[in-house]
Amino acid sequence: RKEVEQDPGPFNVPEGATVAFNCTYSNSASQSFFWYRQDCRKEPKLLMSVYSSGNEDGRFTAQLNRASQYISLLIRDSKLSDSATYLCVVKEKGGSQGNLIFGKGTKLSVKP
Amino acid sequence: GAVVSQHPSRVICKSGTSVKIECRSLDFQATTMFWYRQFPKQSLMLMATSNEGSKATYEQGVEKDKFLINHASLTLSTLTVTSAHPEDSSFYICSASDGGGATDTQYFGPGTRLTVL
Repeated sequence: RKEVEQDPGPFNVPEGATVAFNCTYSNSASQSFFWYRQDCRKEPKLLMSVYSSGNEDGRFTAQLNRASQYISLLIRDSKLSDSATYLCVVKEKGGSQGNLIFGKGTKLSVKP
Repeated sequence: GAVVSQHPSRVICKSGTSVKIECRSLDFQATTMFWYRQFPKQSLMLMATSNEGSKATYEQGVEKDKFLINHASLTLSTLTVTSAHPEDSSFYICSASDGGGATDTQYFGPGTRLTVL
């Protein structure tokens, strides 16, 4: 079975810290990559897509290394509201028929 | 952004009963809808993919006769858990795709928490 593996966590960090999450995927044919966040007992919500060139959205930076099949997420200046579980997600086929393969998630807890 | 709703948000039922969960795309037509299940501290697992007007495609290990999926319109898909048992207790989440080509985002519903007593 194709897998997406993430840091086991949990990550407990103080406010203002920088934290990095890593993820590896097993299917080299995977086409799209995402980070989602999921709050307790809620649905996952798209945080950002991940592109080969790397991309940034405010305090969040995502990187993709296709050769190593590795994805990362960096959060700078952590806020209390960043506390959630971060899911690494891979899409294996193109178009709407491609389903999303979710990692188990890494739990982040930002403390005052 | 696109909105997907699910109903009910929470259901508690007795063992042996059937439960129907609705998933609606509120402001777009969903060519494809996906049903996921998430057990505590586990990742979301795809159960099935449904396209409007055709039979759903089930993932390996998911019983199609137990989890009935109907996608009768471009805005509504239903999942019926038949003869539910305690081991079916889980968080069921649907997502919908508008098949918009390269971006092709899946929009998630808020989920339905099922507890079978």
